Amino acid sequence: LAKTTQPISMDSYEGQEVNITCSHNNIATNDYITWYQQFPSQGPRFIIQGYKTKVTNEVASLFIPADRKSSTLSLPRVSLSDTAVYYCLVGPLNSGNTPLVFGKGTRLSVIA
Amino acid sequence: SAVISQKPSRDICQRGTSLTIQCQVDSQVTMMFWYRQQPGQSLTLIATANQGSEATYESGFVIDKFPISRPNLTFSTLTVSNMSPEDSSIYLCSVEVAGGVYEQYFGPGTRLTVT
Repeated sequence: LAKTTQPISMDSYEGQEVNITCSHNNIATNDYITWYQQFPSQGPRFIIQGYKTKVTNEVASLFIPADRKSSTLSLPRVSLSDTAVYYCLVGPLNSGNTPLVFGKGTRLSVIA
Repeated sequence: SAVISQKPSRDICQRGTSLTIQCQVDSQVTMMFWYRQQPGQSLTLIATANQGSEATYESGFVIDKFPISRPNLTFSTLTVSNMSPEDSSIYLCSVEVAGGVYEQYFGPGTRLTVT
């Protein structure tokens, strides 16, 4: 599995756009980039996944440059409820038999 | 998707005792995964549990300390044996469900405090 590097923590004010960048220089050809979000006292939950270019859903956008050595999770207009730890994971899609391996994640604190 | 429940949600136990954590999924899954999350830390995989066979443990985790049962495709238990304060953590079970995107779903966790 490709090693990932992301900031340990970030602070943001409500209403701002937050961009969290993850570096994964050793990403393999068949690897996908997946982001999970973990609120305090809850298990992580899937946010978004992509392979290249840009992916957008109702929660976030994921930007992946052509070389795929990094990716950026973009959260539009954050609110206090977006305070959480965000994990970037890189690995191949699989048949359900390979568990996720989590790095340290980025602790996002949203301030009023 | 998958909905996962865990029991108990939290417990305070004395050192030297054992606690069994239950994990129930609302659909049949091949693999179930158990993680530990120590305070302020990321998740660490303990083991992978396949129905009908022995669990596969990650480095640093052994069956005598963390025995796992997987009697059917919707249920698993993790026992934390002979507990010490270092075992104080949140224990989470998880499954992966294939859809358009392979997503891993997590239970709410069991917060264990060992005194």
